[in-house]
Amino acid sequence: DAGVIQSPRHEVTEMGQEVTLRCKPISGHNSLFWYRQTMMRGLELLIYFNNNVPIDDSGMPEDRFSAKMPNASFSTLKIQPSEPRDSAVYFCASTPGRNTEAFFGQGTRLTVV
Amino acid sequence: KNEVEQSPQNLTAQEGEFITINCSYSVGISALHWLQQHPGGGIVSLFMLSSGKKKHGRLIATINIQEKHSSLHITASHPRDSAVYICAVGSARQLTFGSGTQLTVLP
Repeated sequence: DAGVIQSPRHEVTEMGQEVTLRCKPISGHNSLFWYRQTMMRGLELLIYFNNNVPIDDSGMPEDRFSAKMPNASFSTLKIQPSEPRDSAVYFCASTPGRNTEAFFGQGTRLTVV
Repeated sequence: KNEVEQSPQNLTAQEGEFITINCSYSVGISALHWLQQHPGGGIVSLFMLSSGKKKHGRLIATINIQEKHSSLHITASHPRDSAVYICAVGSARQLTFGSGTQLTVLP
């Protein structure tokens, strides 16, 4: 398996534009997580899906952020409209079950100018 | 006070040295994770443990549940071990991350 695959690796966009980040979890994993990493706040959980259903989105910072998981092999994190303070590295991770090791993607470095 | 505290924040070692990174936490946990983040940014899960000790190659992780403390040891350190090491506690659903330890191993 190629591991968790995120795209794009880097994204530079102008303030106000819509940004969509993509994630393909490891096949067979039933939990998927979106994290954000910034210098100031470190790694933070944004949202967690189990069997494609959003379980906990309390970490999503604002209504500008939304996440979907239409099927077991694909998830998106959308920011609309984007703002400079959204600049961060966004990680996707998947796990095969509860209390199991998390496998991280390479991250998407987002810069909003 | 942060729920997960790592020490030291920065560590520089000479190749071959034995390295210890510490993690203390104040919340109840189901598991503790050690993660490695390389300069390129990717995160790799090194260990997940809920008791005792795990070993993988030159890496050893221990946890003391009563004392709410874990250590990550690297034996015979190598420059390629240079990375940020992050301790995280809880289930993947509610991971609380430490701020990381920047390790630099000099040749």
